[in-house]
Amino acid sequence: DAGVTQSPTHLIKTRGQHVTLRCSPISGHKSVSWYQQVLGQGPQFIFQYYEKEERGRGNFPDRFSARQFPNYSSELNVNALLLGDSALYLCASSLFPGEGTEAFFGQGTRLTVV
Amino acid sequence: QKEVEQNSGPLSVPEGAIASLNCTYSDRGSQSFFWYRQYSGKSPELIMSIYSNGDKEDGRFTAQLNKASQYVSLLIRDSQPSDSATYLCAVNRGSNYKLTFGKGTLLTVNP
Repeated sequence: DAGVTQSPTHLIKTRGQHVTLRCSPISGHKSVSWYQQVLGQGPQFIFQYYEKEERGRGNFPDRFSARQFPNYSSELNVNALLLGDSALYLCASSLFPGEGTEAFFGQGTRLTVV
Repeated sequence: QKEVEQNSGPLSVPEGAIASLNCTYSDRGSQSFFWYRQYSGKSPELIMSIYSNGDKEDGRFTAQLNKASQYVSLLIRDSQPSDSATYLCAVNRGSNYKLTFGKGTLLTVNP
């Protein structure tokens, strides 16, 4: 079975631009979460979606948005990019959200803002 | 107080030794606990999950949980150079869907 797939793997954008990152969860998994990981830190929670509804949002500005599609894939959008948005963006797939469920990460998208 | 704390390391052990990685958390409502391994430049890989007090063993890995002390640990027996990575501790409250991660502990296993 395919694992969690993310695209693109690497991306370079200019300040002020917009970016869309994509994620396909493990087959049968209905929950997708997005995390941001900057160098030297653990991943920070951005969003969780389950059955196409937002179930949780981390402490990120409104420039960050996401959605989940009927096939459970997901997009993370970031507007008005700042240099500080440079990070590894991780998508995590799980059967359902909450207690007792394991989350599996994709390979990530390395975003560099110049 | 940080929500999830780990010693950043580096923790250096010789090949064949036991590596002990520790994690403390502040939210007493936390119910699910996970250890992820992250190689440099790669994404986190789930290696252990634990939900009840006590020990859970999987091959060379043993996770230990003590909810009263708000402490979770990971033991790696017969450490190999391929175990050299950053180990991330993550906790989940249950009602709060997010995983909260520590900063990770860098483990180096020396041949």
